[in-house]
Amino acid sequence: QMQLLQSGPEVKKPGTSVKVSCKASGFTFRTSAVQWVRQTRGQSLEWIGEIVVGSGLTRYARDFQARVTITRDMSTNTAYMELSNLRSEDTAVYYCAGKPCDSLSCPFDPWGQGSLVTVSS
Amino acid sequence: SYVLTQPPSVSVAPGKTATITCGGDNIAVKSVHWYQQKPGQAPLLVIKYDSDRPSGIPERFSGSNSGNTASLTISWVEAGDEADYYCHVWDEGDHRYVFGTGTTVTVL
Repeated sequence: QMQLLQSGPEVKKPGTSVKVSCKASGFTFRTSAVQWVRQTRGQSLEWIGEIVVGSGLTRYARDFQARVTITRDMSTNTAYMELSNLRSEDTAVYYCAGKPCDSLSCPFDPWGQGSLVTVSS
Repeated sequence: SYVLTQPPSVSVAPGKTATITCGGDNIAVKSVHWYQQKPGQAPLLVIKYDSDRPSGIPERFSGSNSGNTASLTISWVEAGDEADYYCHVWDEGDHRYVFGTGTTVTVL
């Protein structure tokens, strides 16, 4: 069974960084791409970026490009998303999701359970 | 930037049909995917590539895509279908994935 297990909730102060992890099991991690998507309270989904696991190639949404770094560790089947210079507007649930094919038009499946990041002074 | 517009809410009686639209400029040339999200849960893929159902998704869920509108149809609606639904595409112009504004389906 394909599954993505994310790290727990975090509370951070403005101006600091957060690093969220996403551990894959039940599918071939190295042939997939891992997406990061966030959802602020009551709002829609917002794509942050992706990493193609095998090559390490990353793509970032323009709005996050200056503050986000996505990495992976193939030895532990884990992907990471680090967001820096946090502000209160970054308070959200952060999801990782698998993209099981190379095409840019591929759907996201499966999804992790989400990690709540709260930014508060 | 590419925008996907959905109605905020759709209400439907049990056993009836719910149709959720997703409007975007010439969306017919894109592959549209649909996700169901229940409160406190992660999104779940229910339709991929406009009209394909992933394994385990009931036949009651179907999709279409034409012109400037993609649609998700839920036939024989059940109480368990109450959720938020999002459409999703790749925007090659802005090199980013885009999600629709989301539609809350309420079963009366």
